[in-house]
Amino acid sequence: NAGVTQTPKFQVLKTGQSMTLQCAQDMNHEYMSWYRQDPGMGLRLIHYSVGAGITDQGEVPNGYNVSRSTTEDFPLRLLSAAPSQTSVYFCASLPTRTAAGYTFGSGTRLTVV
Amino acid sequence: AQTVTQSQPEMSVQEAETVTLSCTYDTSESDYYLFWYKQPPSRQMILVIRQEAYKQQNATENRFSVNFQKAAKSFSLKISDSQLGDAAMYFCAYRTSPLNAGNNRKLIWGLGTSLAVNP
Repeated sequence: NAGVTQTPKFQVLKTGQSMTLQCAQDMNHEYMSWYRQDPGMGLRLIHYSVGAGITDQGEVPNGYNVSRSTTEDFPLRLLSAAPSQTSVYFCASLPTRTAAGYTFGSGTRLTVV
Repeated sequence: AQTVTQSQPEMSVQEAETVTLSCTYDTSESDYYLFWYKQPPSRQMILVIRQEAYKQQNATENRFSVNFQKAAKSFSLKISDSQLGDAAMYFCAYRTSPLNAGNNRKLIWGLGTSLAVNP
C-alpha cells in the first residue's frame, strides 16, 4: 500500500509560471484535501473534495484550482505563481464517516522567485 | 469558530524521561475529534494518537498517551521513555464530527511545539 503519493517533492517556479502538484491515493478514500503549511500560521485548507466530480473551497483557495475526475487523483494547479505561494503543500485523504485521522502525502516544498 | 492553542513553542526532554505537551481548544460543539500529529525533519506528517470526544477513556498508543479533559477543553500529550527519534514538531488538531460537519472535514491546527530530545 503506497498510501498518499505526492509529487514533486521540491519545485522552484518563476513568478507567473503555472504548474500542477500531483496527488494520488490507493486507499479508496472518498475525501481528499490540500493544505499549505507556513511558519507561524500552521496548516491551512486550500481545497477539498468529497468524491469524484465534487470539489469545494477551503480557507485560502485564491490562486489555486483543483479537479477530481477519479477517486484516486486530486491534482492542485497553481494558475500564475506568486511569491506569496511559497510554502510547503500537503495532500491528505480520509475515509468519510469515520473518526480516523488523515493520511498525508510527504509534502511539496514550493519556492516562487 | 473553533481554535486550537499550543502554548509551548519549544520543549526539551532527556532521553528516557517523560514529557507532556499542552494543547487547549475552544469549541461550542459536543462531538468532535482531537489528534496529535508528529512532523520530523523529513516533513512527513504522522498521526500519533487520536481521541473521540464522546469517549471518556484517555487514548493510549504504546509510549504515547493523552490526558483529555473535556470540560476544561484540554488535550495534552504525554510521551514516556522519550527516544531520540521522538524529536520533532508536534501538532494538536481538532475536527468536527461528520454529523455536524457536512462535507467539510477540515482539521483546525495549533501552531506546534518543537520537541528536542537530549541524549
